[in-house]
Amino acid sequence: GAGVSQSPSNKVTEKGKDVELRCDPISGHTALYWYRQSLGQGLEFLIYFQGNSAPDKSGLPSDRFSAERTGGSVSTLTIQRTQQEDSAVYLCASSPGRIQETQYFGPGTRLLVL
Amino acid sequence: AQSVTQLDSHVSVSEGTPVLLRCNYSSSYSPSLFWYVQHPNKGLQLLLKYTSAATLVKGINGFEAEFKKSETSFHLTKPSAHMSDAAEYFCVVSGTNTGNQFYFGTGTSLTVIP
Repeated sequence: GAGVSQSPSNKVTEKGKDVELRCDPISGHTALYWYRQSLGQGLEFLIYFQGNSAPDKSGLPSDRFSAERTGGSVSTLTIQRTQQEDSAVYLCASSPGRIQETQYFGPGTRLLVL
Repeated sequence: AQSVTQLDSHVSVSEGTPVLLRCNYSSSYSPSLFWYVQHPNKGLQLLLKYTSAATLVKGINGFEAEFKKSETSFHLTKPSAHMSDAAEYFCVVSGTNTGNQFYFGTGTSLTVIP
């Protein structure tokens, strides 16, 4: 079946502009994660959604970052007033939601802030 | 608390020789452990996972890993490296006390020399 999809695949923006990144999880997966991967670095956890529960936002680096998940499916990560240090690959993953279940990753959105 | 340490940031092997990528974990609970691979400009792909069944786990592409509780290790091995194995490898831990959160190591870059 279809995997996790993300759009856009690449985004170039100017410093100070807002950007929205989209994630379509695998159908039926109740858990959804956002990560950030900076050049040469590991994955940095940003936010986690599980079903209808309040999201775990503990990884968001500043209040310029926010995310929502509508109807328990599609998620949007928004970065306001982008800074050059926001340049990274933003990865989305979904899982069936059971504890310790495997995550399935999308291809990522490569964000470049000029 | 959960954490993962990948002991080598970079490993270089000759084609046809064994591969060893080291991972140590810290977990207060029965962990699930994963290895993911990321090829250049591609998303993360699951290689294998351990979830308290057999301690020797076989994955895709000839990789395997052994869970050693006494050593808190989950090293990834392959008997014979192939050029296509060149990639970034991530060790990941998830524990029952973390809800459904996953903790990533900083990654090991594998180079295969022809």
